Amino acid sequence: EPEVTQTPSHQVTQMGQEVILRCVPISNHLYFYWYRQILGQKVEFLVSFYNNEISEKSEIFDDQFSVERPDGSNFTLKIRSTKLEDSAMYFCASLAVGSTDTQYFGPGTRLTVL
Amino acid sequence: AQTVTQSQPEMSVQEAETVTLSCTYDTSESDYYLFWYKQPPSRQMILVIRQEAYKQQNATENRFSVNFQKAAKSFSLKISDSQLGDAAMYFCAYSGPNNNDMRFGAGTRLTVKP
Repeated sequence: EPEVTQTPSHQVTQMGQEVILRCVPISNHLYFYWYRQILGQKVEFLVSFYNNEISEKSEIFDDQFSVERPDGSNFTLKIRSTKLEDSAMYFCASLAVGSTDTQYFGPGTRLTVL
Repeated sequence: AQTVTQSQPEMSVQEAETVTLSCTYDTSESDYYLFWYKQPPSRQMILVIRQEAYKQQNATENRFSVNFQKAAKSFSLKISDSQLGDAAMYFCAYSGPNNNDMRFGAGTRLTVKP
């Protein structure tokens, strides 16, 4: 069964550094999403992406965040200058329009900012 | 704004018994999607069950079923014949008709006692 994959599984970085989290959505999916979950809290929507542009973003997704689909398979989330409060689990999800309208989540990347 | 409320931070059930997890939501849309996701200690988000709002019939997936009350904006999850592997955090989630984002509840931690 096709799966969403994410790399790395765990990223440790120093405050102020840039990080890029990578996702490979399911191949025939057209909508892509990033979510984050701070430890012990709910999953929060960050951004949705369709047709090579952002379709919606939350108030969390400020100027330090950006997303990109650099090729036909990868979907990346960049955090330009990480802060301590960016430490969280980051989930990528993808959606196939039509048959199920269900977002399938990747296994997540645990980001630790020191 | 759409909100999802899970009023039970923790629930406990005896193995082989039945448990119901509660979820309410607020929306002005008439067409939308509702989901239950399971998050085990690995923190991966696993889809348990989904419900389209236009369908009156409650969704079922093996031991998992929902009680969808559209007028009351209620979407509870029933787990029958509970198993030790069902122990996890359970998140209720709402997605609007355009599936541009997904809003999650705060989660219910389910413990299954042998």
